[in-house]
Amino acid sequence: DQQVKQNSPSLSVQEGRISILNCDYTNSMFDYFLWYKKYPAEGPTFLISISSIKDKNEDGRFTVFLNKSAKHLSLHIVPSQPGDSAVYFCAASAASGTYKYIFGTGTRLKVLA
Amino acid sequence: NAGVTQTPKFRVLKTGQSMTLLCAQDMNHEYMYWYRQDPGMGLRLIHYSVGEGTTAKGEVPDGYNVSRLKKQNFLLGLESAAPSQTSVYFCASRRSGGLYNEQFFGPGTRLTVL
Repeated sequence: DQQVKQNSPSLSVQEGRISILNCDYTNSMFDYFLWYKKYPAEGPTFLISISSIKDKNEDGRFTVFLNKSAKHLSLHIVPSQPGDSAVYFCAASAASGTYKYIFGTGTRLKVLA
Repeated sequence: NAGVTQTPKFRVLKTGQSMTLLCAQDMNHEYMYWYRQDPGMGLRLIHYSVGEGTTAKGEVPDGYNVSRLKKQNFLLGLESAAPSQTSVYFCASRRSGGLYNEQFFGPGTRLTVL
């Protein structure tokens, strides 16, 4: 049972436009969410996070939105740059779940120059 | 700081062989994790450790064993490798002291079991 789902395996966007990556979760106990970026042949690197007490968190070109009622979060990248081309994973954690993060299956973003 | 390092980077095994993957971190993190990444499956947690001498099972622990004899090292063992264990393995670590700390990942080990 996939508790964290990224239903779009891939996404292509023109340079300068907005990229929107989506993530859905099923476990209502999740209260902290993260996005990681992964380049080929490298480990994932942390990008941005959001706590369930917020509905939005921004860091430069990256914004994460959380809709708790819909159990949905999204990552917006504005403007998209070719260097943003990577696989993006969302992950979720529950305070009561000790120290584990559950990852989604990832979305491959390609930003076209 | 080297961060999280993994040894080896690549390995090819025959079915039934054994091997140990080594993860080392120099950030004094309490928590360490082993994941596998397979196409279409994302990152799945194999085992994790919340401190020296402790280990716990993740989502897909079967066929793997782990040990955390030293705080900075987390070893993943395959006693009898199977083709289904062909994957990319990532180690990660995280500091304690808060519920909401991100994990730092190593560069990965690509394992092929023939």
